[in-house]
Amino acid sequence: GENVGLHLPTLSVQEGDNSIINCAYSNSASDYFIWYKQESGKGPQFIIDIRSNMDKRQGQRVTVLLNKTVKHLSLQIAATQPGDSAVYFCAENRAGGTSYGKLTFGQGTILTVHP
Amino acid sequence: DAGVTQSPTHLIKTRGQHVTLRCSPISGHKSVSWYQQVLGQGPQFIFQYYEKEERGRGNFPDRFSARQFPNYSSELNVNALLLGDSALYLCASSAGGSSYEQYFGPGTRLTVT
Repeated sequence: GENVGLHLPTLSVQEGDNSIINCAYSNSASDYFIWYKQESGKGPQFIIDIRSNMDKRQGQRVTVLLNKTVKHLSLQIAATQPGDSAVYFCAENRAGGTSYGKLTFGQGTILTVHP
Repeated sequence: DAGVTQSPTHLIKTRGQHVTLRCSPISGHKSVSWYQQVLGQGPQFIFQYYEKEERGRGNFPDRFSARQFPNYSSELNVNALLLGDSALYLCASSAGGSSYEQYFGPGTRLTVT
């Protein structure tokens, strides 16, 4: 079936290190991917997105990599800070039709940054 | 600019009751989507509305319904509440059309006892 999942449910890093959060997806029809950060008691916060016609996109301290061959998505956070501690979700969407507003979320990875 | 707003913040209901949750999208956004997030899991898609029309429905029972108003705000209604309906209900807005970016509100925490 269609699903978006994460390899690791938890990730602990030291402040200043780089973090890599991974995500696997199974729907080859997916053409849009988003990473969200969710802090306790808050709604998901948009971090960065990427379309399937790209394999890399950079933002401020974050980079998303997309490997369509193996259906793998990753989020890299440079110089991780304690404020980056949160749950990170990948989500996918599929072009076409009318339900473009339907995001399918993965399980989530808990990132803990130690000072 | 104000982001997505939702009300109420928290809500406690008993089994069998009905609940209405409200969402106001980002100014200029015409699409609203609703998600249910059970503790420890990712959000699950419930509905999407664009220009007051339902554009998508997730795998939820008919007890769940929604609508969108001319000002693009939206309501999610849940009838005959079950304990399993306890969750964080999230609203996300997007510009619609060819825009895929969705921005989430803070959610409404519903507890069914």
